[in-house]
Amino acid sequence: GEDVEQSLFLSVREGDSSVINCTYTDSSSTYLYWYKQEPGAGLQLLTYIFSNMDMKQDQRLTVLLNKKDKHLSLRIADTQTGDSAIYFCAERGRTGSARQLTFGSGTQLTVLP
Amino acid sequence: DAGVIQSPRHEVTEMGQEVTLRCKPISGHNSLFWYRQTMMRGLELLIYFNNNVPIDDSGMPEDRFSAKMPNASFSTLKIQPSEPRDSAVYFCASSLEQIGRNEQFFGPGTRLTVL
Repeated sequence: GEDVEQSLFLSVREGDSSVINCTYTDSSSTYLYWYKQEPGAGLQLLTYIFSNMDMKQDQRLTVLLNKKDKHLSLRIADTQTGDSAIYFCAERGRTGSARQLTFGSGTQLTVLP
Repeated sequence: DAGVIQSPRHEVTEMGQEVTLRCKPISGHNSLFWYRQTMMRGLELLIYFNNNVPIDDSGMPEDRFSAKMPNASFSTLKIQPSEPRDSAVYFCASSLEQIGRNEQFFGPGTRLTVL
């Protein structure tokens, strides 16, 4: 079945850029998503990218998609302590049920002062 | 809109007891998802409904788990009997299925502890 992989941990200093990476296996993915989970809360959609796009920018967030390598990244510019959270990559493909998302394991981002 | 509402937020129970988790999706959404999150297995999809009908329950761990959606504004996830290994955070999410990105909106979760 489809698989989405992420590294588990990332630490950066406040003010630096963070880059969270994700790889996926479903070549028929239509939309790819980044969700943020703060402690004790549910997942919140941060941004998404359609599979025919290479890049999407939204304020401090930049999403890069390399469809050939099935690689997705999320760059957070000027990382702040409030960005500390778990970030989940997710993909929705055409195979199987179109309504399902496949989530990665999440990357715990720690922002150091 | 209040978003997806889940209750209770926290549940502590003893092994063997019945547990019922509740979810109210966002009004107008036609799909509802139940997830379980643990440190060991991450986020797992248990079951999802479309227009109140269960579409895929292949993620339900075993017969002790059951889910219902009697109407468009309410769903339950029941565990009977509960076991310590069921301890996890259970999330409900809803979405409006249409052509497009179909964003899933998550509730705050129910933290279940089975002693």
